[in-house]
Amino acid sequence: KAGVTQTPRYLIKTRGQQVTLSCSPISGHRSVSWYQQTPGQGLQFLFEYFSETQRNKGNFPGRFSGRQFSNSRSEMNVSTLELGDSALYLCASSRRQGPGELFFGEGSRLTVL
Amino acid sequence: QQQVKQSPQSLIVQKGGISIINCAYENTAFDYFPWYQQFPGKGPALLIAIRPDVSEKKEGRFTISFNKSAKQFSLHIMDSQPGDSATYFCAASNQAGTALIFGKGTTLSVSS
Repeated sequence: KAGVTQTPRYLIKTRGQQVTLSCSPISGHRSVSWYQQTPGQGLQFLFEYFSETQRNKGNFPGRFSGRQFSNSRSEMNVSTLELGDSALYLCASSRRQGPGELFFGEGSRLTVL
Repeated sequence: QQQVKQSPQSLIVQKGGISIINCAYENTAFDYFPWYQQFPGKGPALLIAIRPDVSEKKEGRFTISFNKSAKQFSLHIMDSQPGDSATYFCAASNQAGTALIFGKGTTLSVSS
C-alpha cells in the first residue's frame, strides 16, 4: 500500500513569490492535514481537510491556504513568501476526521531566499 | 493553554539503558496523547498513543505513563538500541479538535 506522497520534495523560491505543494493521501484516507516543521517552532498545525471542506485551521496568516479535491488529494499554497516561511511542510492523512493515527509523508522542504 | 511542553531537548543513553522523555500539558480538554518518532529525512510516524482512561500503555519496549492529575505523560524506552536514535515528539488533541499540538521534540542518541 503506497504511503502519503508529497511533491515537490525540495524547492527554492525568492521572497514575494508564491508556492503550491501537493499531497496524495493513502488510498481510502479522506482526511488530510498539513503541518509546518521548523527547528525553532517544531511541528505546527496549518489546516485539515475532510471531504473537500476545511475542518480546522491553525494560527497562520491568510497567505497560507489549501484545498482538497474529490479524490482526497490536497494542495496548499503560500503566497507572498517571506524568509520565515522556509520550513519542511508535512502532509498527513487519516481514515477519518478527529484524533487518531496520522500517516505523514516525507515532506516538501521549502527554502525562501 | 494550548501548549505541550516536552523535556529534555536532547538525550544520550547507552545501549541497553532506559530512555525517558516527559511531557506536560495545560488544557484539560485534551484526551488523546500520541508519541511520534521521526528519523532524519522522514516524516513522523506514530509510535504509541494513550487516552486518559488508562494510566499506562505498553507496546513492546515502549511504554506511556499517564498522570491525569498532574497533567503529565511520559515515554519510556526500555533496552534502548542504536536504531532507536531519532527525534521523538509528544502530542495532544481532543475529540472536538482535529489538530495535534506537538511538543518541541527530543533528540535521542543511543550509543553502542
